[in-house]
Amino acid sequence: GAVVSQHPSRVICKSGTSVKIECRSLDFQATTMFWYRQFPKKSLMLMATSNEGSKATYEQGVEKDKFLINHASLTLSTLTVTSAHPEDSSFYICSASWDRDYEQYFGPGTRLTVT
Amino acid sequence: GQSLEQPSEVTAVEGAIVQINCTYQTSGFYGLSWYQQHDGGAPTFLSYNALDGLEETGRFSSFLSRSDSYGYLLLQELQMKDSASYFCAVKGGTASKLTFGTGTRLQVTL
Repeated sequence: GAVVSQHPSRVICKSGTSVKIECRSLDFQATTMFWYRQFPKKSLMLMATSNEGSKATYEQGVEKDKFLINHASLTLSTLTVTSAHPEDSSFYICSASWDRDYEQYFGPGTRLTVT
Repeated sequence: GQSLEQPSEVTAVEGAIVQINCTYQTSGFYGLSWYQQHDGGAPTFLSYNALDGLEETGRFSSFLSRSDSYGYLLLQELQMKDSASYFCAVKGGTASKLTFGTGTRLQVTL
């Protein structure tokens, strides 16, 4: 149980375009979902925390107008990278938690490449 | 703010025991988690310590000392498949989110 899917797994887009990444909890209802960014061989950097039906809470330094997060239901959260630039190229991972919020279930990640 | 420090790399032979340390500085503390991440994969939850002491789960154990702001992950009977990155993470400050450590890359050799 506790499976989280993420789509797409890889995406290549041109500079200036927007990309949407979906995160779904497949077999449980996630009270909270998280979005992380990870650079090669580096740690996970939390970008934002989202709860269903409410606005996401962004970490310091993360532009909320650039990284739009929508948490439409208890099983779906989306991250939209708007007007992407090459420096936005990264590995984006979502996670979800429910009753034990110290235990997060991670999606397989999305590798974004902006050309 | 929160900061967590781990050794960047550890190498050990198959069958051995290895300890990965984590020291943290946080403005609030609820507990310390450990996650494993293979190259290109998603992090997976290993353990959680909210109280001082040792928690054992199969070949993996995790220890916490709240007074020392220190914890470690102990991996026994190492196997090649244990080669991965290991992250400690603090649940502190805002209750629901985790702050991850710098990560330790474990290489298991023959």
